[in-house]
Amino acid sequence: SQLAEENSWALSVHEGESVTVNCSYKTSITALQWYRQKSGKGPAQLILIRSNEREKRNGRLRATLDTSSQSSSLSITATRCEDTAVYFCATDTNTGYQNFYFGKGTSLTVIP
Amino acid sequence: NSKVIQTPRYLVKGQGQKAKMRCIPEKGHPVVFWYQQNKNNEFKFLINFQNQEVLQQIDMTEKRFSAECPSNSPCSLEIQSSEAGDSALYLCASSLDNNERLFFGHGTKLSVL
Repeated sequence: SQLAEENSWALSVHEGESVTVNCSYKTSITALQWYRQKSGKGPAQLILIRSNEREKRNGRLRATLDTSSQSSSLSITATRCEDTAVYFCATDTNTGYQNFYFGKGTSLTVIP
Repeated sequence: NSKVIQTPRYLVKGQGQKAKMRCIPEKGHPVVFWYQQNKNNEFKFLINFQNQEVLQQIDMTEKRFSAECPSNSPCSLEIQSSEAGDSALYLCASSLDNNERLFFGHGTKLSVL
């Protein structure tokens, strides 16, 4: 079973609009990361948010973390065509094992 | 541009053949991960290293899969006898620490015919 999971398979927005991708997870974590993977490339980290943080920003990106509901969101404002990618959330495990669990990803298409 | 270098980008093997792929982690990163990503974008953790020592690996890798990260040489992942189900994108990532940002390479896309 997935320890981290995005809540949507695919989203599409028009350029300039805002979009939010949601993620839920099942274990106690020390941090949650958001990654973006463009076609033909490896994932690239966007934001790392620790369990004692509630919000983190990186330019047009904003991530939130709610440890009580074990959920996170990634919002992108003023979307651009180059934001088209698959977005993953990834959690570590607060068990001493050094590993990251990735969700299945949400495919975002930004329409010009 | 990724500073984690994976070779080859594409690898085509017949069933039963050996498949080997390499990874040069980002300079100064002591932690290296290997993940398998299938066509549905699902990630499967395979193994990770810290300074050449195995930290954790899944059971699958203990049979047909082997990996190493020797000092002063690229890390490698080898499948002894490839199966059709091994067809996937194999991603190598490096990190400064176990629980920090992962820097991924572009991956090796393995096709087992």
